[in-house]
Amino acid sequence: QSALTQPASVSGSPGQSITISCTGSSSDVGRYKSVSWYQQHPGKAPKLIIYDVSDRPSGVSNRFSGSKSGNTASLTISGLQAEDEADYYCRSYTRTTTSFGTGTKVAVL
Amino acid sequence: QVQLVQSGSELRKPGASVKISCKASGYTFTTYAISWMRQAPGQGLEWMGWINTDTGNPTFAQGFTGRFVFSLDTSVNTAYLQISGLEAEDTAVYYCAREECTTTSCFPHYWGQGTLVTVSS
Repeated sequence: QSALTQPASVSGSPGQSITISCTGSSSDVGRYKSVSWYQQHPGKAPKLIIYDVSDRPSGVSNRFSGSKSGNTASLTISGLQAEDEADYYCRSYTRTTTSFGTGTKVAVL
Repeated sequence: QVQLVQSGSELRKPGASVKISCKASGYTFTTYAISWMRQAPGQGLEWMGWINTDTGNPTFAQGFTGRFVFSLDTSVNTAYLQISGLEAEDTAVYYCAREECTTTSCFPHYWGQGTLVTVSS
């Protein structure tokens, strides 16, 4: 169960859009519609922001959106705000393997 | 509302054991599995495995077999993680989470606040 690959850091200015990638393989990310995304502020528990590749839980801002192409899933944050500065993790689930991504630190310049 | 409340920080010596609790409220405990995650200082999240709260059947991720035990006390809606033979490398924050499943996938939705376990002589 190898970790999925994410960029270590992504940055953007307030109001801009940024995209975080999450690369796996045909056995995990590419196989099913089973990628979720989490936001984690320092010292806090992770918070679910996307599930099933592109669905948002109730209460999560529509500035967060998810997509997938082949073995790579992506999280896009639109209209970047200071409060979006956090760590972001993807997670892939299959019946035989479940892995988190390596994590991406988002900085709002 | 759904809540998962974990036990407090623990300090143990190498070779000792620790048992962390995760008390659920706001829903029927046996309807959803409980996942456990580890996050070492400054590091990313690792999925340790989960326990079926209806059957008590645990599933462990690679690297989390042998010294790790998941258990339940359904009478008090609580899941437990026990780690034996603690090593310095076990120093981490441990999270429990309610694992939800759609027709397509499963994912941890509601999370506990985390329990810091420090292993030091």
